[in-house]
Amino acid sequence: AQSVSQHNHHVILSEAASLELGCNYSYGGTVNLFWYVQYPGQHLQLLLKYFSGDPLVKGIKGFEAEFIKSKFSFNLRKPSVQWSDTAEYFCAVNRHAGNMLTFGGGTRLMVKP
Amino acid sequence: SQTIHQWPATLVQPVGSPLSLECTVEGTSNPNLYWYRQAAGRGLQLLFYSVGIGQISSEVPQNLSASRPQDRQFILSSKKLLLSDSGFYLCAWSAQGADEQFFGPGTRLTVL
Repeated sequence: AQSVSQHNHHVILSEAASLELGCNYSYGGTVNLFWYVQYPGQHLQLLLKYFSGDPLVKGIKGFEAEFIKSKFSFNLRKPSVQWSDTAEYFCAVNRHAGNMLTFGGGTRLMVKP
Repeated sequence: SQTIHQWPATLVQPVGSPLSLECTVEGTSNPNLYWYRQAAGRGLQLLFYSVGIGQISSEVPQNLSASRPQDRQFILSSKKLLLSDSGFYLCAWSAQGADEQFFGPGTRLTVL
């Protein structure tokens, strides 16, 4: 069975610091990769996704993620975080053309003003 | 546009009591529907998914069940709640053949 690991459970940063959240998955076949974000009191929403093509994916609010197939990784990055980025971030994977998402354990990000 | 509703938003139930959580989707037809649970400090765990009316697949054996009586209605139930059923329950939908899932606001269940 596939699994998704997010190594950082809690991250605390100051505004303007750079962010990188790790995500590794275990499935060896073709996958689709997602980052979801849950802001306090809001629905879980899609931040960005990778299906194919350029492994560097740009999402909303200045976030990007890089798919490195050889490392089974899909790390999320942002060059300069803002207080409003405080949220919980989830990495998710599904098999190509499948509907089942497997989520990582989530990373709680707190950005100090 | 599509919207997804869940109710109740919060629920406190005693151990051994029944449970019924409802999820409805508007603005789309024949969606895939999903129930997830988010336990404290853990990720989202897929509980059930449905590709059509009356078609339910279970990902994790437990004392919960799901039903889909109508195309855009998905219900999560239990006959007798356990303490371990406490958590945040999320409903989601996706279009047939699409990978992106859209999530509802969730129901926070506390079993005492």
